[in-house]
Amino acid sequence: GAVVSQHPSWVICKSGTSVKIECRSLDFQATTMFWYRQFPKQSLMLMATSNEGSKATYEQGVEKDKFLINHASLTLSTLTVTSAHPEDSSFYICSAISGSRGEQYFGPGTRLTVT
Amino acid sequence: AQSVAQPEDQVNVAEGNPLTVKCTYSVSGNPYLFWYVQYPNRGLQFLLKYITGDNLVKGSYGFEAEFNKSQTSFHLKKPSALVSDSALYFCAVSRGFGNEKLTFGTGTRLTIIP
Repeated sequence: GAVVSQHPSWVICKSGTSVKIECRSLDFQATTMFWYRQFPKQSLMLMATSNEGSKATYEQGVEKDKFLINHASLTLSTLTVTSAHPEDSSFYICSAISGSRGEQYFGPGTRLTVT
Repeated sequence: AQSVAQPEDQVNVAEGNPLTVKCTYSVSGNPYLFWYVQYPNRGLQFLLKYITGDNLVKGSYGFEAEFNKSQTSFHLKKPSALVSDSALYFCAVSRGFGNEKLTFGTGTRLTIIP
């Protein structure tokens, strides 16, 4: 149990376009999901906290207009990278809180490459 | 503010030997401590956590960690390393359990030498 999926696992897009990444909790409901960014050989940096039915809370330094987060249901949160640029290339990982266990379960990640 | 330090970027251990991956933390109040493992191009897998109770926590794949409040440490250990343990390990801390955000260390790459 407590499986989190992400789609796509890998995406290449051209500079200036937008790309959407989905994060789903497959076998549990998640009122809270987190979005992280991981640069090569570095740690995970929290970008934002996504709560179902409300606006996301962004960490300091994260552009909310560039990284749009929507948490429309208890099993789905989406991250849209708008007007992507090469510096947005990174590994994006989501996690979801399992209410019954209170633990964070992580998705497999999405590698974004902007050309 | 909360923080985690993993002082070793790389740890090499011979197969069959005991391994230790170090972690120290800083947080106001009682810490909630976690270890995760990451394989190449994959997300994080939960290994174990400390919330309260016994200072020695046992987790997945034979790993355990010891919480030491006086030294503010939470080192990850395993009595006998396997080649398959080779991966990137992250220590994390939060101030609570559930919706509290995690702060991660910079990670330690563990390599088990056959």
